[in-house]
Amino acid sequence: GAVVSQHPSRVICKSGTSVKIECRSLDFQATTMFWYRQFPKQSLMLMATSNEGSKATYEQGVEKDKFLINHASLTLSTLTVTSAHPEDSSFYICSARTGGGGYGYTFGSGTRLTVV
Amino acid sequence: QQQVKQSPQSLIVQKGGISIINCAYENTAFDYFPWYQQFPGKGPALLIAIRPDVSEKKEGRFTISFNKSAKQFSLHIMDSQPGDSATYFCAASSGTGNQFYFGTGTSLTVIP
Repeated sequence: GAVVSQHPSRVICKSGTSVKIECRSLDFQATTMFWYRQFPKQSLMLMATSNEGSKATYEQGVEKDKFLINHASLTLSTLTVTSAHPEDSSFYICSARTGGGGYGYTFGSGTRLTVV
Repeated sequence: QQQVKQSPQSLIVQKGGISIINCAYENTAFDYFPWYQQFPGKGPALLIAIRPDVSEKKEGRFTISFNKSAKQFSLHIMDSQPGDSATYFCAASSGTGNQFYFGTGTSLTVIP
């Protein structure tokens, strides 16, 4: 089946630094990928929709200058958390539509970001 | 505004019992209703999904019941097992390529 590979699975960074999270579709092309944020024991909140070759669409309240999204190819989307602060610590998950005109979506395994 | 409302927040079921999780929605444009299972530290995995043209879908021990007029759908886990202990999210989407709206999640614990 369709696989979305997300790396790293865990990252700890110092406050003020930037962190890049990669999301790759391994066996299919993903024209659209979604980035979610999940706080402990809470639901997934959509941050932005990433479209290959164009600018990402951010949800209301999400700082696009802080959460940089790049979808440069049909198999790779990246989320860069710039100038990270402790409040950015969270679980970040990407997903991609598996194509074929259907509704299939596959999620990555998530990235646990801890900013110290 | 929560597009999809899910209950209960947590559920404890004995092994062999039936787990039932309910979701409700308002947007009649939604036409795809998946359920996801998430283990700690992992991304959600698709469990089962239904389209509004059917009232029930069964896959193994998992069944979705869908009530279009009431705008409600539920997940039934038959013969619940300790390995089913996880967080379950319902979701809804309209049209291919559009975002999913997730419920708030249900933490299921199946006790031996």
